[in-house]
Amino acid sequence: DTGVSQNPRHKITKRGQNVTFRCDPISEHNRLYWYRQTLGQGPEFLTYFQNEAQLEKSRLLSDRFSAERPKGSFSTLEIQRTEQGDSAMYLCASSFSGITDEQFFGPGTRLTVL
Amino acid sequence: GIQVEQSPPDLILQEGANSTLRCNFSDSVNNLQWFHQNPWGQLINLFYIPSGTKQNGRLSATTVATERYSLLYISSSQTTDSGVYFCAGRKTSYDKVIFGPGTSLSVIP
Repeated sequence: DTGVSQNPRHKITKRGQNVTFRCDPISEHNRLYWYRQTLGQGPEFLTYFQNEAQLEKSRLLSDRFSAERPKGSFSTLEIQRTEQGDSAMYLCASSFSGITDEQFFGPGTRLTVL
Repeated sequence: GIQVEQSPPDLILQEGANSTLRCNFSDSVNNLQWFHQNPWGQLINLFYIPSGTKQNGRLSATTVATERYSLLYISSSQTTDSGVYFCAGRKTSYDKVIFGPGTSLSVIP
């Protein structure tokens, strides 16, 4: 296990379509985070899980966004009825809620909505 | 939630120069990290440093938790140091992590 992986790396879709992204965390990490990053900005928190439980959701995560982590391992982020404003880099990170809780990031999925 | 400021927003250095990047928090944090985002968008961990001083090669960082700021020092800069540097923190281990707006560094030969 070499780190956090995300798939796909790039996704181009048409407005109104649904998209789903996957994140595989570092295997011993119990926490998993999703962020969104637009050009020139820092990553913005979307949601995070501890094991299977979704502990916090940002108000940025509208009704069109949903995230799951069904078995406490990988996670999916789905965006329904995509809008052009959803175009961004979607980043996943994982950590172990021990002494440090240091986060490690995946390479991201770049979404372009046409 | 906490607010995070970073300065300067942009920095251009001649190769070999030294620099200091600053991160200020509006409230105390118990979890502070520095990252370097490379041109491909990957966030690379530099330091986990809620307090104290750490060094890793040409980079070092100092966090003064009681005054709610952290500094990242880059010495003898190289072109490969170019990119955006972010600090990020959370108030407690159950709070969301907040990122600063970043410092964009360009190191020219």
